[in-house]
Amino acid sequence: DAKTTQPPSMDCAEGRAANLPCNHSTISGNEYVYWYRQIHSQGPQYIIHGLKNNETNEMASLIITEDRKSSTLILPHATLRDTAVYYCIVRSQTNNDMRFGAGTRLTVKP
Amino acid sequence: DSGVTQTPKHLITATGQRVTLRCSPRSGDLSVYWYQQSLDQGLQFLIQYYNGEERAKGNILERFSAQQFPDLHSELNLSSLELGDSALYFCASSPPPLRANTEAFFGQGTRLTVV
Repeated sequence: DAKTTQPPSMDCAEGRAANLPCNHSTISGNEYVYWYRQIHSQGPQYIIHGLKNNETNEMASLIITEDRKSSTLILPHATLRDTAVYYCIVRSQTNNDMRFGAGTRLTVKP
Repeated sequence: DSGVTQTPKHLITATGQRVTLRCSPRSGDLSVYWYQQSLDQGLQFLIQYYNGEERAKGNILERFSAQQFPDLHSELNLSSLELGDSALYFCASSPPPLRANTEAFFGQGTRLTVV
């Protein structure tokens, strides 16, 4: 049972920033926010994760609100190859299985 | 390449049969997760093992079973197969310790077709 809510689909213009929101209003203090993406039917690819601070890596930035009830994944310069389903997951320290929701289908358009 | 190896890549079998899917985790990873993804559906968590022991169970049918061996590879056994079991089956692994801030990496999946 997913503990996150994401919009089912979003479009983004190539070269622009893609901002993907995720609502996790029931998140607990020891739970991390993870983002994965799945391109077509390939294995999901890890993007980024965080607890309460904003995080950035070579792929994306993760902005977590101060109350931790929502977050935003930012792809700074979307390319056509970023077209994928993006999953936001909440993962606990005590039961660290990963349960995926329906995700957001991001389509990057030329 | 994530370093997680799943075999076979494709499998076609008949209803009522039994199959075994294999997963070799990344070197040093102790956790293995199994997922099922039916056509155009999300990823359903099935089961997780850590260093040979079952850690968490999701929506795994009684006809399905899994285990993790001493060399840390894992097998998912599917029996009395039905048409609805046709799906992509993914395995993921993550390193120790068993904490939520260790990322998991996925294999490329086994596509099972039941005819």
